[in-house]
Amino acid sequence: DVKVTQSSRYLVKRTGEKVFLECVQDMDHENMFWYRQDPGLGLRLIYFSYDVKMKEKGDIPEGYSVSREKKERFSLILESASTNQTSMYLCASSLGANSNQPQHFGDGTRLSIL
Amino acid sequence: DQQVKQNSPSLSVQEGRISILNCDYTNSMFDYFLWYKKYPAEGPTFLISISSIKDKNEDGRFTVFLNKSAKHLSLHIVPSQPGDSAVYFCAATSSPYGGSQGNLIFGKGTKLSVKP
Repeated sequence: DVKVTQSSRYLVKRTGEKVFLECVQDMDHENMFWYRQDPGLGLRLIYFSYDVKMKEKGDIPEGYSVSREKKERFSLILESASTNQTSMYLCASSLGANSNQPQHFGDGTRLSIL
Repeated sequence: DQQVKQNSPSLSVQEGRISILNCDYTNSMFDYFLWYKKYPAEGPTFLISISSIKDKNEDGRFTVFLNKSAKHLSLHIVPSQPGDSAVYFCAATSSPYGGSQGNLIFGKGTKLSVKP
């Protein structure tokens, strides 16, 4: 089974802090994704990556950056946290092109910005 | 503008009966559709998918129907079980590689409650 592990289930940070959310997958997947889930809004894509050191903006990249130094790890960075970034953050991974395999999700990090 | 719409925020069904969850989309370029199930405090879990070249895909108790002309898909669960109680998300993509990469556009979800 695919395992996508997010380092923290719950996180509380203060406005203006730099926040790192870590995600690791153990299935040698090429693709990794970061979403946020908000009540009434569903899941929205923040950033994704098709390969090491590659990144693409999703629908709502503002206020975020990402890092993919190793294939198995994809980090989401809140450069200067703000209260409107309080949310549930979900990481996902999938096999590369030509695989037609679905994305597999971690259990999420519930982030609160005070 | 919402490209994937799940107009029913919630649905309540009796155990053993059929659950029908609906999803509408507006982007005619979408050619691959997926359903995910999400329990509280867990990440979404892939349930079933369908390519636009098909109109039906079945996996055990779960069947997805696609009506391209109406830009509508539905998930049928028969028979419904209490363990099916969760939030169900519909997702769509126009990626040439289906749900693996590219931008998955999610609906807002429908909370299904199956009562014993």
